Amino acid sequence: GAVVSQHPSWVICKSGTSVKIECRSLDFQATTMFWYRQFPKQSLMLMATSNEGSKATYEQGVEKDKFLINHASLTLSTLTVTSAHPEDSSFYICSARDLWGQGFSNQPQHFGDGTRLSIL
Amino acid sequence: AQSVTQPDIHITVSEGASLELRCNYSYGATPYLFWYVQSPGQGLQLLLKYFSGDTLVQGIKGFEAEFKRSQSSFNLRKPSVHWSDAAEYFCAVGAPNTDKLIFGTGTRLQVFP
Repeated sequence: GAVVSQHPSWVICKSGTSVKIECRSLDFQATTMFWYRQFPKQSLMLMATSNEGSKATYEQGVEKDKFLINHASLTLSTLTVTSAHPEDSSFYICSARDLWGQGFSNQPQHFGDGTRLSIL
Repeated sequence: AQSVTQPDIHITVSEGASLELRCNYSYGATPYLFWYVQSPGQGLQLLLKYFSGDTLVQGIKGFEAEFKRSQSSFNLRKPSVHWSDAAEYFCAVGAPNTDKLIFGTGTRLQVFP
């Protein structure tokens, strides 16, 4: 159980284009999803917390206009990298927490397999 | 502020040997503690978690971790490593009443036959 699907797994695109990454909880409902960025051989850096039906909460230093997050349903959150440039190339990972964990931060996050984004 | 330290960037062990990965945290109270494993190009898989109670927790794949409050540590152990355990291991801390996880910098495990 607790499967999180992330799509696409790998995307290459030209500089200036926008890229959308989807994160779906397949067998549970998630009121909260998280988006992370991971540079090669480094740890995960939280970018934003996505809450179903409300605006995302961005971490300090993350441009909200650059990284658009939409959490339209209890099973889907999307991250759109707008006008992507080579410096946006990275590994993006989403995670989700089970609805039944709402209010209990001890519920673990379940992670997707990540999206490798390469901007040429 | 919360922080997590994984002192060992890279560890190499022989298959069948025992393993201990270190994790130290900084937090005012007892945090929620997690160990995750990441294979190359993949997301993270939860190995085990500690919230309260028994300080020795058992996880998947034969891993266990021990919470030591006096040392602010949550070290991960496995008595006999398998080649398939080669991966990146992340320790993480979550504060009660927040949604966020703070990750350590990770320890890369290599296993030689």
